[in-house]
Amino acid sequence: GAVVSQHPSWVICKSGTSVKIECRSLDFQATTMFWYRQFPKQSLMLMATSNEGSKATYEQGVEKDKFLINHASLTLSTLTVTSAHPEDSSFYICSARAQDLYGYTFGSGTRLTVV
Amino acid sequence: DQQVKQNSPSLSVQEGRISILNCDYTNSMFDYFLWYKKYPAEGPTFLISISSIKDKNEDGRFTVFLNKSAKHLSLHIVPSQPGDSAVYFCAASAKNYGQNFVFGPGTRLSVLP
Repeated sequence: GAVVSQHPSWVICKSGTSVKIECRSLDFQATTMFWYRQFPKQSLMLMATSNEGSKATYEQGVEKDKFLINHASLTLSTLTVTSAHPEDSSFYICSARAQDLYGYTFGSGTRLTVV
Repeated sequence: DQQVKQNSPSLSVQEGRISILNCDYTNSMFDYFLWYKKYPAEGPTFLISISSIKDKNEDGRFTVFLNKSAKHLSLHIVPSQPGDSAVYFCAASAKNYGQNFVFGPGTRLSVLP
Protein backbone atom coordinates (compact mmCIF):
# COMPACT_ATOMS: atom_id res chain seq x y z
CA GLY A 1 0.00 0.00 0.00
CA ALA A 2 0.87 3.71 0.19
CA VAL A 3 1.67 4.29 -3.47
CA VAL A 4 2.19 7.70 -5.00
CA SER A 5 1.94 8.06 -8.74
CA GLN A 6 3.69 11.01 -10.36
CA HIS A 7 3.16 12.03 -13.98
CA PRO A 8 4.72 12.65 -16.34
CA SER A 9 8.04 10.86 -15.76
CA TRP A 10 9.77 13.22 -18.13
CA VAL A 11 8.76 16.22 -20.17
CA ILE A 12 10.45 18.52 -22.66
CA CYS A 13 8.93 21.93 -23.20
CA LYS A 14 9.75 25.19 -24.90
CA SER A 15 10.78 28.29 -23.00
CA GLY A 16 7.81 30.38 -22.01
CA THR A 17 5.33 27.54 -21.84
CA SER A 18 3.80 26.03 -18.71
CA VAL A 19 4.09 22.46 -17.52
CA LYS A 20 1.87 20.68 -15.04
CA ILE A 21 3.10 17.78 -12.92
CA GLU A 22 0.62 15.59 -11.09
CA CYS A 23 1.11 13.70 -7.89
CA ARG A 24 -1.58 11.21 -6.88
CA SER A 25 -1.86 9.02 -3.82
CA LEU A 26 -3.41 5.83 -5.13
CA ASP A 27 -4.49 3.98 -2.04
CA PHE A 28 -4.45 6.45 0.80
CA GLN A 29 -5.51 9.97 1.56
CA ALA A 30 -2.59 12.33 1.56
CA THR A 31 -3.31 15.10 4.00
CA THR A 32 0.08 16.62 3.31
CA MET A 33 2.14 16.66 0.14
CA PHE A 34 5.64 17.94 -0.40
CA TRP A 35 7.26 19.12 -3.60
CA TYR A 36 11.01 18.86 -4.03
CA ARG A 37 13.53 19.79 -6.65
CA GLN A 38 16.80 17.95 -7.08
CA PHE A 39 19.99 18.60 -8.95
CA PRO A 40 22.19 15.61 -9.81
CA LYS A 41 23.77 13.95 -6.77
CA GLN A 42 22.56 16.71 -4.50
CA SER A 43 20.00 16.96 -1.77
CA LEU A 44 16.33 17.25 -2.42
CA MET A 45 15.41 20.88 -1.99
CA LEU A 46 12.01 21.33 -0.39
CA MET A 47 10.04 23.77 -2.50
CA ALA A 48 6.69 23.77 -0.77
CA THR A 49 4.37 21.92 1.54
CA SER A 50 0.71 21.67 0.73
CA ASN A 51 -2.20 20.60 2.89
CA GLU A 52 -5.46 19.60 1.29
CA GLY A 53 -7.83 22.48 0.95
CA SER A 54 -5.41 25.19 1.99
CA LYS A 55 -2.70 27.25 0.36
CA ALA A 56 0.73 25.78 0.00
CA THR A 57 3.55 26.96 2.21
CA TYR A 58 6.53 27.88 0.08
CA GLU A 59 10.13 27.74 1.21
CA GLN A 60 12.24 30.86 1.13
CA GLY A 61 13.46 31.67 -2.33
CA VAL A 62 10.78 29.69 -4.16
CA GLU A 63 8.58 31.90 -6.34
CA LYS A 64 4.91 31.29 -5.61
CA ASP A 65 3.75 32.74 -8.91
CA LYS A 66 6.15 30.62 -10.89
CA PHE A 67 5.59 27.29 -9.15
CA LEU A 68 1.85 27.00 -8.66
CA ILE A 69 0.75 24.26 -6.30
CA ASN A 70 -2.79 23.03 -6.03
CA HIS A 71 -3.84 20.38 -3.52
CA ALA A 72 -7.52 20.28 -4.36
CA SER A 73 -8.29 16.82 -3.05
CA LEU A 74 -6.90 14.30 -0.61
CA THR A 75 -5.44 12.26 -3.45
CA LEU A 76 -4.12 14.85 -5.88
CA SER A 77 -1.60 17.66 -5.81
CA THR A 78 -0.31 19.44 -8.88
CA LEU A 79 2.77 21.56 -9.49
CA THR A 80 2.61 23.90 -12.46
CA VAL A 81 5.84 25.46 -13.66
CA THR A 82 4.71 28.63 -15.39
CA SER A 83 6.64 30.48 -18.07
CA ALA A 84 9.37 27.87 -17.94
CA HIS A 85 12.99 28.84 -18.49
CA PRO A 86 15.97 26.57 -19.20
CA GLU A 87 17.18 27.10 -15.62
CA ASP A 88 13.99 25.42 -14.43
CA SER A 89 15.25 22.20 -15.98
CA SER A 90 15.57 19.78 -13.10
CA PHE A 91 14.20 16.71 -11.43
CA TYR A 92 11.00 17.35 -9.49
CA ILE A 93 9.67 14.85 -7.01
CA CYS A 94 6.63 14.80 -4.76
CA SER A 95 6.14 13.08 -1.47
CA ALA A 96 2.96 12.39 0.42
CA ARG A 97 2.12 11.58 3.95
CA ALA A 98 -1.10 10.43 5.55
CA GLN A 99 -1.95 11.16 9.15
CA ASP A 100 -2.44 7.55 10.08
CA LEU A 101 0.28 5.96 7.99
CA TYR A 102 3.90 5.52 8.82
CA GLY A 103 6.52 7.19 6.71
CA TYR A 104 6.73 9.26 3.61
CA THR A 105 5.83 7.94 0.19
CA PHE A 106 7.63 9.41 -2.77
CA GLY A 107 6.55 9.67 -6.36
CA SER A 108 8.94 8.46 -9.03
CA GLY A 109 9.85 11.98 -10.05
CA THR A 110 9.58 14.10 -13.18
CA ARG A 111 12.53 15.15 -15.25
CA LEU A 112 11.78 18.53 -16.80
CA THR A 113 13.89 19.83 -19.65
CA VAL A 114 13.17 23.32 -20.93
CA VAL A 115 14.61 24.11 -24.36
CA ASP B 1 4.31 -3.15 -4.49
CA GLN B 2 7.17 -1.28 -2.86
CA GLN B 3 10.41 -1.68 -4.76
CA VAL B 4 12.49 -0.19 -1.97
CA LYS B 5 11.74 -1.23 1.59
CA GLN B 6 12.95 -0.06 4.95
CA ASN B 7 11.32 -2.47 7.32
CA SER B 8 12.26 -0.71 10.53
CA PRO B 9 10.13 2.40 11.07
CA SER B 10 12.33 3.48 13.93
CA LEU B 11 15.62 2.74 15.65
CA SER B 12 17.08 3.94 18.95
CA VAL B 13 20.81 3.81 19.62
CA GLN B 14 23.00 5.02 22.46
CA GLU B 15 25.43 7.84 21.70
CA GLY B 16 28.84 6.50 20.70
CA ARG B 17 27.48 3.14 19.52
CA ILE B 18 26.96 1.98 15.96
CA SER B 19 23.71 2.69 14.11
CA ILE B 20 22.78 0.26 11.35
CA LEU B 21 19.99 1.21 9.00
CA ASN B 22 18.78 -1.38 6.53
CA CYS B 23 17.22 -1.20 3.11
CA ASP B 24 16.00 -3.94 0.77
CA TYR B 25 15.04 -3.67 -2.86
CA THR B 26 13.26 -5.93 -5.29
CA ASN B 27 14.21 -4.59 -8.72
CA SER B 28 17.41 -6.22 -9.96
CA MET B 29 17.80 -3.41 -12.52
CA PHE B 30 18.71 -0.93 -9.79
CA ASP B 31 22.38 -0.04 -10.06
CA TYR B 32 22.79 3.12 -8.04
CA PHE B 33 21.79 3.72 -4.45
CA LEU B 34 21.71 6.72 -2.17
CA TRP B 35 21.05 7.51 1.44
CA TYR B 36 19.38 10.73 2.52
CA LYS B 37 18.89 12.24 5.95
CA LYS B 38 15.89 14.38 6.79
CA TYR B 39 15.28 16.73 9.69
CA PRO B 40 11.73 17.95 10.42
CA ALA B 41 10.51 20.73 8.13
CA GLU B 42 13.51 20.31 5.83
CA GLY B 43 14.11 18.45 2.59
CA PRO B 44 16.15 15.26 2.63
CA THR B 45 19.90 15.89 2.57
CA PHE B 46 22.12 13.69 0.46
CA LEU B 47 24.46 11.61 2.62
CA ILE B 48 26.27 8.96 0.67
CA SER B 49 25.86 6.89 -2.47
CA ILE B 50 27.08 3.62 -3.90
CA SER B 51 27.02 2.15 -7.37
CA SER B 52 26.51 -1.51 -8.06
CA ILE B 53 30.13 -2.02 -9.10
CA LYS B 54 31.15 -1.55 -5.46
CA ASP B 55 30.15 -3.31 -2.28
CA LYS B 56 31.28 -0.63 0.14
CA ASN B 57 31.63 3.12 0.23
CA GLU B 58 32.91 5.08 3.18
CA ASP B 59 32.71 8.77 4.03
CA GLY B 60 33.79 9.74 7.50
CA ARG B 61 31.45 8.20 10.06
CA PHE B 62 29.14 6.90 7.34
CA THR B 63 29.63 3.64 5.47
CA VAL B 64 27.23 2.07 3.03
CA PHE B 65 27.40 -1.64 2.26
CA LEU B 66 25.77 -3.21 -0.77
CA ASN B 67 24.96 -6.91 -1.08
CA LYS B 68 23.70 -7.34 -4.63
CA SER B 69 22.87 -11.02 -4.34
CA ALA B 70 20.64 -10.31 -1.35
CA LYS B 71 19.37 -7.04 -2.83
CA HIS B 72 20.21 -5.41 0.45
CA LEU B 73 22.08 -2.32 1.51
CA SER B 74 22.85 -0.89 4.89
CA LEU B 75 24.09 2.37 6.29
CA HIS B 76 26.45 2.24 9.26
CA ILE B 77 27.03 5.31 11.40
CA VAL B 78 29.97 5.03 13.78
CA PRO B 79 30.09 6.55 16.31
CA SER B 80 26.49 7.73 16.51
CA GLN B 81 25.91 11.28 17.71
CA PRO B 82 22.72 12.99 18.97
CA GLY B 83 22.80 15.21 15.87
CA ASP B 84 22.35 12.11 13.75
CA SER B 85 18.79 11.80 15.02
CA ALA B 86 16.66 12.17 11.89
CA VAL B 87 14.71 10.18 9.34
CA TYR B 88 16.92 8.27 6.91
CA PHE B 89 15.76 7.32 3.42
CA CYS B 90 17.39 4.98 1.00
CA ALA B 91 16.75 5.48 -2.70
CA ALA B 92 17.56 3.44 -5.78
CA SER B 93 17.73 4.07 -9.48
CA ALA B 94 18.56 2.25 -12.69
CA LYS B 95 20.35 3.62 -15.75
CA ASN B 96 17.33 3.15 -17.92
CA TYR B 97 15.20 5.15 -15.51
CA GLY B 98 17.33 8.20 -16.05
CA GLN B 99 17.69 10.16 -12.86
CA ASN B 100 14.39 8.97 -11.45
CA PHE B 101 14.73 7.48 -8.02
CA VAL B 102 12.59 5.14 -5.98
CA PHE B 103 12.60 5.98 -2.31
CA GLY B 104 12.02 3.81 0.72
CA PRO B 105 9.58 5.03 3.41
CA GLY B 106 12.32 6.04 5.82
CA THR B 107 13.62 4.95 9.23
CA ARG B 108 13.56 7.33 12.17
CA LEU B 109 16.84 7.16 14.07
CA SER B 110 17.03 8.44 17.61
CA VAL B 111 20.47 8.70 19.16
CA LEU B 112 20.17 8.90 22.91
CA PRO B 113 22.72 10.89 24.92
